[in-house]
Amino acid sequence: GAGVSQTPSNKVTEKGKYVELRCDPISGHTALYWYRQSLGQGPEFLIYFQGTGAADDSGLPNDRFFAVRPEGSVSTLKIQRTERGDSAVYLCASSSALANEQFFGPGTRLTVL
Amino acid sequence: GQQVMQIPQYQHVQEGEDFTTYCNSSTTLSNIQWYKQRPGGHPVFLIQLVKSGEVKKQKRLTFQFGEAKKNSSLHITATQTTDVGTYFCAGHRGGGGGADGLTFGKGTHLIIQP
Repeated sequence: GAGVSQTPSNKVTEKGKYVELRCDPISGHTALYWYRQSLGQGPEFLIYFQGTGAADDSGLPNDRFFAVRPEGSVSTLKIQRTERGDSAVYLCASSSALANEQFFGPGTRLTVL
Repeated sequence: GQQVMQIPQYQHVQEGEDFTTYCNSSTTLSNIQWYKQRPGGHPVFLIQLVKSGEVKKQKRLTFQFGEAKKNSSLHITATQTTDVGTYFCAGHRGGGGGADGLTFGKGTHLIIQP
């Protein structure tokens, strides 16, 4: 069956540019999460959606980061005025209402030059 | 805020040797989850522990949750090359154990020498 998908798989951009990262969760999963992972580190929580609303956005590092999930399915993570320190793998995960297990996508590797 | 720490950061073992990674939380956890990430891959859920003192086994893997629900361990018996990867423990940020975000440890990187 289809798992969590993320596009693009790789994104190279220049400092100061705007980027959008997309996540397609497992069909029917109500909870969706964004994490970012730097080399040698564990995933760092960014934001969690329950349905269409952001239930917890306390992990977003600053106001350059924003995420939406308008129809309660696909989510987009938006980063404005990218900085070199934003370079990381951005992971999306989803989970069902019945279990806490989070299913992760393959990630988007963002490189800011 | 909640912190989750893991030791060791790296572990080199000979194939066939045992391996253990330890996880400690700065706060009491409602439950703890373990994930495995292969090199170049994404985290994959292994197990969730909920009860104080709980022990669960999956073939050669044994997971324990401490009595105080602040620490956990993963033990692998007779490691195989397929066990290579990074093992992460994670606790729920909200403390309620529901479907909220996770705080991950930095992970233990298991390297196996044939």
